[in-house]
Amino acid sequence: DIVMTQSPDSLAVSLGERATINCKSSQSVLYNSNNKNYLAWYQQKSGQPPKLLIYWASTRESGVPDRFSGSGSGTDFTLTISSLQAEDVAVYYCQQYYSIPFTFGPGTKVDIK
Amino acid sequence: EVQVLESGGGLVQPGGSLRLSCAASGFTFSTYAMNWVRQAPGKGLEWVSGISGSGGHTYYADSVKGRFTISRDDSKNTLYLQMISLRAEDTAVYYCATAGSDSFYSHIDYWGQGTLVTVSS
Repeated sequence: DIVMTQSPDSLAVSLGERATINCKSSQSVLYNSNNKNYLAWYQQKSGQPPKLLIYWASTRESGVPDRFSGSGSGTDFTLTISSLQAEDVAVYYCQQYYSIPFTFGPGTKVDIK
Repeated sequence: EVQVLESGGGLVQPGGSLRLSCAASGFTFSTYAMNWVRQAPGKGLEWVSGISGSGGHTYYADSVKGRFTISRDDSKNTLYLQMISLRAEDTAVYYCATAGSDSFYSHIDYWGQGTLVTVSS
């Protein structure tokens, strides 16, 4: 199984400041034949189901604010919130869909400082 | 508008059975792979099972293999998860989730609100 790790476990950022979350996979999730990274990011607010933010490591889902961006390739990925807003308080998960079983990172909790 | 609505959760004794259903609308259900993902109270997300758009291929996490069976009825736009030999560690909110493309190896696009399964005596 591909093990996903995230860092930090939690972070507190001032409103308008940048938040950066890292995700690492135990093996590459880059599929060479199509040059795509099988990596997604989800946001889960308290009491709600997760919501897709980013897929193929860097493609923003329709309707997601452009302050959210994804980057990275192979085994190392980053989710960046360029200017944190109050509504961004949530837990963020990365997920690989390169191989079965699909696996999620443990989550990173983002709060306002 | 895409909608997925889970039902069938509840309290069940260890060793018992339960069948979850997920009614889907707003998209061509038969075309898309579907998944079940669960979240134990206060914990992270765990992918449980998935089924291809054709229904010809099914996939399971090792933790549920041999105890859970995923199926779909495209005529009813409904996804199912039959769960037997339930254990305390199966206690979780179970989410029905759509794949983001017609390929099984896809991100998860839409999530239902979830249905709570509690396994306890």
